[in-house]
Amino acid sequence: EAAVTQSPRNKVAVTGGKVTLSCNQTNNHNNMYWYRQDTGHGLRLIHYSYGAGSTEKGDIPDGYKASRPSQENFSLILELATPSQTSVYFCASGDSGQQFFGPGTRLTVL
Amino acid sequence: GQQVQQSPASLVLQEGENAELQCNFSTSLNSMQWFYQRPEGSLVSLFYNPSGTKQSGRLTSTTVIKERRSSLHISSSQITDSGTYLCAMEDNNRIFFGDGTQLVVKP
Repeated sequence: EAAVTQSPRNKVAVTGGKVTLSCNQTNNHNNMYWYRQDTGHGLRLIHYSYGAGSTEKGDIPDGYKASRPSQENFSLILELATPSQTSVYFCASGDSGQQFFGPGTRLTVL
Repeated sequence: GQQVQQSPASLVLQEGENAELQCNFSTSLNSMQWFYQRPEGSLVSLFYNPSGTKQSGRLTSTTVIKERRSSLHISSSQITDSGTYLCAMEDNNRIFFGDGTQLVVKP
């Protein structure tokens, strides 16, 4: 069974709307991460968390919020979605350096 | 901040040829990881390689921490090896990615 799952897998949103991307992990890892990947580039870190109740800003946090209500769940929230946030979003979990990734969510903001 | 440089950016091989992908890091690192990204987008972890050499089938990863570099060797390439190969360095539980090498293996 997949240890890191994401939902939804695909999402179309309108400019100015609120979008919530969800991530669940069964690895019992303390650390979880949200990345975005744009065409032809590697992944860039948006927010991460060291455990339930904690969120930290990554390299590109503007326009995004994060929530870690439990060890297993980590959400990425776009309060006011913009077309520039159209991308593929990956969630990951991992302790001690190695990270394990979810399947990705393709978000299109019209 | 940390920078990860991958080369080449793209590569076209004939089936059966070997390939060497390179990754260089701008700062010291704790460990690094190689990923394969399938054409449909999902990520597969190939190697978690703090240092030294690891082999898995036709793939070999070699990381030299003090020289801030890592390489991925693909031997006897197959059409199904086509996709994007990403390297990433780990520093204080954060990962920094390169932009990837796009590999196409032709019959």
